[in-house]
Amino acid sequence: QKEVEQNSGPLSVPEGAIASLNCTYSDRGSQSFFWYRQYSGKSPELIMSIYSNGDKEDGRFTAQLNKASQYVSLLIRDSQPSDSATYLCAVYYGNNRLAFGKGNQVVVIP
Amino acid sequence: GAGVSQSPSNKVTEKGKDVELRCDPISGHTALYWYRQRLGQGLEFLIYFQGNSAPDKSGLPSDRFSAERTGESVSTLTIQRTQQEDSAVYLCASSRGTANEKLFFGSGTQLSVL
Repeated sequence: QKEVEQNSGPLSVPEGAIASLNCTYSDRGSQSFFWYRQYSGKSPELIMSIYSNGDKEDGRFTAQLNKASQYVSLLIRDSQPSDSATYLCAVYYGNNRLAFGKGNQVVVIP
Repeated sequence: GAGVSQSPSNKVTEKGKDVELRCDPISGHTALYWYRQRLGQGLEFLIYFQGNSAPDKSGLPSDRFSAERTGESVSTLTIQRTQQEDSAVYLCASSRGTANEKLFFGSGTQLSVL
């Protein structure tokens, strides 16, 4: 069973602050990692992908990958109310399977 | 089409009835996935189609669930003798190749079994 774990409970951050989300995975052989954003009642959309150890930045988003520790994180800088959503961590482990975590709800407080 | 289209957007049915959900992927996308999302949960893989290859049905939770896809076109997910635990959002996604690429999701079908 390929497990993808995300911290439970909503994360409340004030507008302009940094939101930090963490995700751990069980399959050490996984090579590709994704963060999807899902607004309430909407479908998920890809916001970040990362394949190598280290940081990858895209605008206000930074994905961090540490394969030795089997975790991937997402930082949202200068959080905006429009960032309020559920963020799903997804791990590709081959055979066209993408395993998703349960998601982290982020609430940005104006 | 411009995006992945799913229908119906909402379906309310009685326990024991059969339901059919439809997904129209993005034109040219060879891969099509069905996922189930229960309230407050992550996405649960159901089935994967790639072109004309045999589908990967390993995620289907029971033999009440089946899906079809003709070539690289529309897919239908059928649930027979629905149960209350089948209530969920059923999401369809397509991609140009594998799940290692960006998945484009449809807006989902909210299924409620009374």
